[in-house]
Amino acid sequence: AQSVTQLDSQVPVFEEAPVELRCNYSSSVSVYLFWYVQYPNQGLQLLLKYLSGSTLVKGINGFEAEFNKSQTSFHLRKPSVHISDTAEYFCAVSKAGANNLFFGTGTRLTVIP
Amino acid sequence: NAGVTQTPKFQVLKTGQSMTLQCAQDMNHEYMSWYRQDPGMGLRLIHYSVGAGITDQGEVPNGYNVSRSTTEDFPLRLLSAAPSQTSVYFCASSNRPVTGELFFGEGSRLTVL
Repeated sequence: AQSVTQLDSQVPVFEEAPVELRCNYSSSVSVYLFWYVQYPNQGLQLLLKYLSGSTLVKGINGFEAEFNKSQTSFHLRKPSVHISDTAEYFCAVSKAGANNLFFGTGTRLTVIP
Repeated sequence: NAGVTQTPKFQVLKTGQSMTLQCAQDMNHEYMSWYRQDPGMGLRLIHYSVGAGITDQGEVPNGYNVSRSTTEDFPLRLLSAAPSQTSVYFCASSNRPVTGELFFGEGSRLTVL
């Protein structure tokens, strides 16, 4: 079975500072990895995904993530955050042959002016 | 440009009452699913469907029923509501649930007293 662990439940960061949101997964087979963002009182939106190929994946709004197979991680990064990045971020995993996506517990990013 | 539409947005029930959360999508997606979101627990899959007439259980199916009579609609039924079902419910659809993007509704906030 696959599972996802988001190590930080809350991350405060000052505006224009860099941020990293951590995600680790566990699976005995190859996986597909995703980051979704949830703005207040909204549904989730896809930020980026890793299926195969280049381990550095670029997404919307200046976010990127790096797939690290040896460390079973898929951390999300942004070099300079904005107030508008304040939201909850979810890491998710699926695998070939499965029907569904499994989500982590989420990391609440708060950007401080 | 409707996407995934959920109704109602808010609902208060008394213990033992029944209700149906409605979900409709206009993207002709075969896959539809229901998640519940609880603080500190992320999103957990309740039920899903890979096409009309086909449904299956997710991680937390107890207390919920679903049916899929059309491609567009995937209602979630609570037959006898319990306080433990107080949550925010999200419906999602996709044409490629494992490797593609899940499209989410805006959520339905349910309180069971």
